[in-house]
Amino acid sequence: QKEVEQNSGPLSVPEGAIASLNCTYSDRVSQSFFWYRQYSGKSPELIMSIYSNGDKEDGRFTAQLNKASQYVSLLIRDSQPSDSATYLCAVRRDGQNFVFGPGTRLSVLP
Amino acid sequence: GAVVSQHPSWVICKSGTSVKIECRSLDFQATTMFWYRQFPKQSLMLMATSNEGSKATYEQGVEKDKFLINHASLTLSTLTVTSAHPEDSSFYICSARVDGTEQFFGPGTRLTVL
Repeated sequence: QKEVEQNSGPLSVPEGAIASLNCTYSDRVSQSFFWYRQYSGKSPELIMSIYSNGDKEDGRFTAQLNKASQYVSLLIRDSQPSDSATYLCAVRRDGQNFVFGPGTRLSVLP
Repeated sequence: GAVVSQHPSWVICKSGTSVKIECRSLDFQATTMFWYRQFPKQSLMLMATSNEGSKATYEQGVEKDKFLINHASLTLSTLTVTSAHPEDSSFYICSARVDGTEQFFGPGTRLTVL
């Protein structure tokens, strides 16, 4: 089992819809969780971090964490074509390096 | 967020030459920096962890004699690809960790070896 798993996609949603990106992880003692966005040919950009169970909202983005289920998700409301990118989930245990998932490619159709 | 820069943003070199890539943390001190490599349409691959004042820790399968890492100060880490070959052509990205939590990436360096 891979440490961090994501559906590779592509996930296609129409403009204005909610995009839901999912990530599962295997290390039960992971404590920090991050979502990065990577446009084609560019480096990853941090968009959300979450450390405790529940929801964390930032603008159109909401991160959801469920440690019992070892599951973290990212919701993008009112999706725009400019949101089309690959979204990377990263997980970290204290004292350890980040572990990145393979990424989910999101395509927002105008 | 914290700003990490890389130089150069792209480089083309002949096979057999060496290429140095710089990674700088511009507005913070980074005791730990990371070097990643990414091939087209593939995920990030961690190459090594660079710690200021000590030897880098390389991931399994990464040749430490080929990919030389120097972290001489709290704001600068360098990656030197020695005797580069076409299969080393890739997108090299550095990142730095802030206060032990969030990790910020540089813009990346695209290396093409002819």
